[in-house]
Amino acid sequence: QKEVEQDPGPLSVPEGAIVSLNCTYSNSAFQYFMWYRQYSRKGPELLMYTYSSGNKEDGRFTAQVDKSSKYISLFIRDSQPSDSATYLCAMKRWRGTSYGKLTFGQGTILTVHP
Amino acid sequence: DGGITQSPKYLFRKEGQNVTLSCEQNLNHDAMYWYRQDPGQGLRLIYYSQIVNDFQKGDIAEGYSVSREKKESFPLTVTSAQKNPTAFYLCASSTGDRGPYEQYFGPGTRLTVT
Repeated sequence: QKEVEQDPGPLSVPEGAIVSLNCTYSNSAFQYFMWYRQYSRKGPELLMYTYSSGNKEDGRFTAQVDKSSKYISLFIRDSQPSDSATYLCAMKRWRGTSYGKLTFGQGTILTVHP
Repeated sequence: DGGITQSPKYLFRKEGQNVTLSCEQNLNHDAMYWYRQDPGQGLRLIYYSQIVNDFQKGDIAEGYSVSREKKESFPLTVTSAQKNPTAFYLCASSTGDRGPYEQYFGPGTRLTVT
């Protein structure tokens, strides 16, 4: 079983829809949670970064962390065609032998059509 | 402009040849990383370096080698021992390895071995 599970999709939504992307994880040592966006043939860019349970909002993006359920989400409101990309969740331990390394989900391919 | 550069963008090699991928950063970051990305598998860590002249194996180091002689540079050699070298290779850097430090990614090198 992978430490981080992410539904690869693909996910196709109409412009203006609310998008929900999710990851589950199995290791309670993960304390830092990130969402990266990756356009085709480009490197990932950091979208959201949080290290506590609850919600963090940045414009149309909201990151949600539920440590008790080992579940994180990224919500995109009023989705735009320019949001079409692969979204990767990533997690980082704060203790243990793999301290500091990022563990990524498989990535979800999102297409927002006009 | 500060950032991470990777060259070349596309690389083609014959089976049995070693090839070196370049990664340079001018962000004054101590830590640098190499990831491999395959379709549907997210990013997997190959090697990482927390400081000059020091590096550690990641999850899939077999068939790869690195060096870290300068803070700015972290080249990756894909050797002929790597059984399935065709992939998208991403270099990243961060201020430090431990703690809530963001990883910034380069644009990637797509390697095709035939």
